[in-house]
Amino acid sequence: RKEVEQDPGPFNVPEGATVAFNCTYSNSASQSFFWYRQDCRKEPKLLMSVYSSGNEDGRFTAQLNRASQYISLLIRDSKLSDSATYLCVVILPQTGANNLFFGTGTRLTVIP
Amino acid sequence: NAGVTQTPKFQVLKTGQSMTLQCAQDMNHEYMSWYRQDPGMGLRLIHYSVGAGITDQGEVPNGYNVSRSTTEDFPLRLLSAAPSQTSVYFCASSYSFTRVTSGANVLTFGAGSRLTVL
Repeated sequence: RKEVEQDPGPFNVPEGATVAFNCTYSNSASQSFFWYRQDCRKEPKLLMSVYSSGNEDGRFTAQLNRASQYISLLIRDSKLSDSATYLCVVILPQTGANNLFFGTGTRLTVIP
Repeated sequence: NAGVTQTPKFQVLKTGQSMTLQCAQDMNHEYMSWYRQDPGMGLRLIHYSVGAGITDQGEVPNGYNVSRSTTEDFPLRLLSAAPSQTSVYFCASSYSFTRVTSGANVLTFGAGSRLTVL
């Protein structure tokens, strides 16, 4: 079973719409969670960390649901510039092996 | 502040050739890693390093070697290129591998290296 799973999409939404992505993780001991954004033919960049209490940055809201083992990203009032692939990252407790796992990404296209 | 610098940005190889992808960071990051990204596969970890002199294998290490002689540099060597190694390669670094504190595990990526093996 994969450590992290994401719906690959694509999600095609009109400008101004609200869209949400989920990312499920398999290890209940996972400690840290992030959302990265990757534009076409570019490197991934940190969008936001995900805190236990949920956090908001402008139009973006990230939430963590430990009981159901998923994190979510909500984008309100979508802009054309939000078109990108969104990657979730989960970090497990340190064991000496690699403990950082990426989802495969969810592609979002915002349509005029 | 250059961040993470990868070279070359593009490379075409013939099957069987060897080459080295260079990665350098100037942020005094402890952790460095190499990923490859293929359509539909997401980012897959090739090798990583938690400090100078320490390297370990990731998910897809076959056909690749790494070394970490300094904190700053983490080159990826393709020993005998194969068409299956055609991909986009990303180097990434973070402040710490072991400390799960705010910001410590945030990865900074290089701009990527597009490799084609004919």
